[in-house]
Amino acid sequence: EVQLVESGGGLVQPGRSLKLSCLASGFTFSNYGMNWIRQAPGKGLEWVASISSSSSYIYYADTVKGRFTISRDNAKNTLYLQMTSLRSEDTALYYCARLRTGSPDYWGQGVMVTVSS
Amino acid sequence: DIQMTQSPSSMSVSLGDTVTITCRASQDVGIYVNWFQQKPGKSPRRMIYRATNLADGVPSRFSGSRSGSDYSLTISSLESEDVADYHCLQYDEYPYTFGAGTKLELK
Repeated sequence: EVQLVESGGGLVQPGRSLKLSCLASGFTFSNYGMNWIRQAPGKGLEWVASISSSSSYIYYADTVKGRFTISRDNAKNTLYLQMTSLRSEDTALYYCARLRTGSPDYWGQGVMVTVSS
Repeated sequence: DIQMTQSPSSMSVSLGDTVTITCRASQDVGIYVNWFQQKPGKSPRRMIYRATNLADGVPSRFSGSRSGSDYSLTISSLESEDVADYHCLQYDEYPYTFGAGTKLELK
């Protein structure tokens, strides 16, 4: 069974940093691209970043480019999102999702990030 | 960036209805459209991929279609478990973009 479990969220002050993790199991992690997708409270879904299976290709939304870094450790079956210079508008539930032929298929349960003073 | 204009934003429905939700892409995205279902407090679930393909385990009352730049999700004979939010996604090119979502509510 495919499982994706996010962690690392919490309350953080504006301008500070936070690192999210997503532990994958139930599939060969190193064979799949991965995504971070977020959802602000009561709002729609927003794609944040994608990384290919070998980290060769990385893409970011303009809203986070230069502030967020997506990475992965295939030996640890873990996806990361390093978030710096956090803003109130980054407050959201952050999901990791597996990519299958470019399409997000399985999603984690999400981890909440709240940016507030 | 490609815009996905989703309509309606909300819909009042009855059990047994046939429901259609549409996303219009601002430029050609080919077949690379997904539909997701999201229930309150839950993660999105992929229902349709490549515009018309039913994802694993999705009931056959769900279907996806394409007409030019318009992509539709249709639910035939709506059941209570189908009342949820629905989102479209284009993944033809980065940045991936979602529609604003459609909320189904029971009359």
